[in-house]
Amino acid sequence: QKEVEQNSGPLSVPEGAIASLNCTYSDRGSQSFFWYRQYSGKSPELIMFIYSNGDKEDGRFTAQLNKASQYVSLLIRDSQPSDSATYLCAVTRGSNYKLTFGKGTLLTVNP
Amino acid sequence: DAGVTQSPTHLIKTRGQQVTLRCSPISGHKSVSWYQQVLGQGPQFIFQYYEKEERGRGNFPDRFSARQFPNYSSELNVNALLLGDSALYLCASFRDTTYEQYFGPGTRLTVT
Repeated sequence: QKEVEQNSGPLSVPEGAIASLNCTYSDRGSQSFFWYRQYSGKSPELIMFIYSNGDKEDGRFTAQLNKASQYVSLLIRDSQPSDSATYLCAVTRGSNYKLTFGKGTLLTVNP
Repeated sequence: DAGVTQSPTHLIKTRGQQVTLRCSPISGHKSVSWYQQVLGQGPQFIFQYYEKEERGRGNFPDRFSARQFPNYSSELNVNALLLGDSALYLCASFRDTTYEQYFGPGTRLTVT
C-alpha cells in the first residue's frame, strides 16, 4: 500500500465550478497535512496546510481532514483556468519534518 | 522577503561525473530539506539539515551527500552520476517551529 495516494486524474471541471481533490494516507501517526500546487515545469507552491480534524478555509480554498478515515481533501471554489495545475498532497509524521508526497492530481479548468 | 534560491537552474552532465547543487533558505529559516522529483511523480525526500546537523536521510544511495553551512545555506552533491539521476532537485526551507516547508525553483539535472 502506498503511503499517500491520490487519483492521478486528469480531473476536468468547467470554469466557476467546485474542484474536489482527494488524498488518503496509510500512516495513522501522520499529523500534518499539506497541499501544494505545481504548474508544469515549476516547483511546488504551498497553498494550504491543516493539522486538526475538520475544515480550514483560505479564500477560494478549503482543506478538509478526517484522521479517523485517514482522508484529506482540497476544495477549490469558483475554479479558474489559472488553477489548472498538478495538486500534490503531502504528510508529515510527528516531529519528523520529512514530507511524504502523493503522485499528484492533474486539474484542468476549462473556460 | 526573498524566497528560497537555488543554483544552477539547469545542468547537463555526463554519466560518471559529479555535481554540486546549491540552496539558500528563506531568511530566518534554519532548516533545509532536499527532494528529488522525477517526471510524473511526487517529490522524494533525500536529506534534511538543521543547524548544520543531518536530521534525516531518505532511501538514496551513498552517492548522494549534503551539508549545511553556518549561514544555513546548503549543498547537495551527487557522485558517479547515472542516467536515472536525471530529475528536478528541490530544496525546501522552514523555521523548525512550524511544519510548513517552502520550495525553491529547483535545479533541473539532465544526465546523458
